[in-house]
Amino acid sequence: TQLLEQSPQFLSIQEGENLTVYCNSSSVFSSLQWYRQEPGEGPVLLVTVVTGGEVKKLKRLTFQFGDARKDSSLHITAAQPGDTGLYLCAGAYSGGSNYKLTFGKGTLLTVNP
Amino acid sequence: KAGVTQTPRYLIKTRGQQVTLSCSPISGHRSVSWYQQTPGQGLQFLFEYFSETQRNKGNFPGRFSGRQFSNSRSEMNVSTLELGDSALYLCASSLGAGNEQFFGPGTRLTVL
Repeated sequence: TQLLEQSPQFLSIQEGENLTVYCNSSSVFSSLQWYRQEPGEGPVLLVTVVTGGEVKKLKRLTFQFGDARKDSSLHITAAQPGDTGLYLCAGAYSGGSNYKLTFGKGTLLTVNP
Repeated sequence: KAGVTQTPRYLIKTRGQQVTLSCSPISGHRSVSWYQQTPGQGLQFLFEYFSETQRNKGNFPGRFSGRQFSNSRSEMNVSTLELGDSALYLCASSLGAGNEQFFGPGTRLTVL
């Protein structure tokens, strides 16, 4: 069983602060995805990282995939109330048609104005 | 392009009953995956269907089953409901393995 540990589980910060969310596993994934989920909605894909050491930026969000493809981080600069939500990482295992996503339990982020 | 739709959005059942949830994928998507989301366990994979065939299955008891129709719409069924089955059930569709999954808003099931 491939497990993904996310930390912290809860995070409450003030508008303008920076934060980092971590996603760790003992397993190697073919790719890793980050999602954001808002109340009453399903998760929405933010980014997919594939190559070890890869860094991707999406406006104020920076995603990094570990060199060994076992861990990832999400850094948000100057957080805004609109960033509030549940952030989920998901590791993908791909073997032919056998494609599975394993999700972490998520980080619930609250950005206070 | 319409997104993934799930019906019903909310459902209340009692222990021992059975329930059927429905998912309509994005037009052209042939893969449908189902997930259970609870505060304690997070998002857990139930099963995936592609072209009416179950391709992958998660670690859930046989009370959880599903099927996919020729138009790619999918249903999942839970029989002999237990209190622990209370959860948000999410459906996601994609073009196929390795492609981006698009999630529906979920069905909130409460078992009393």
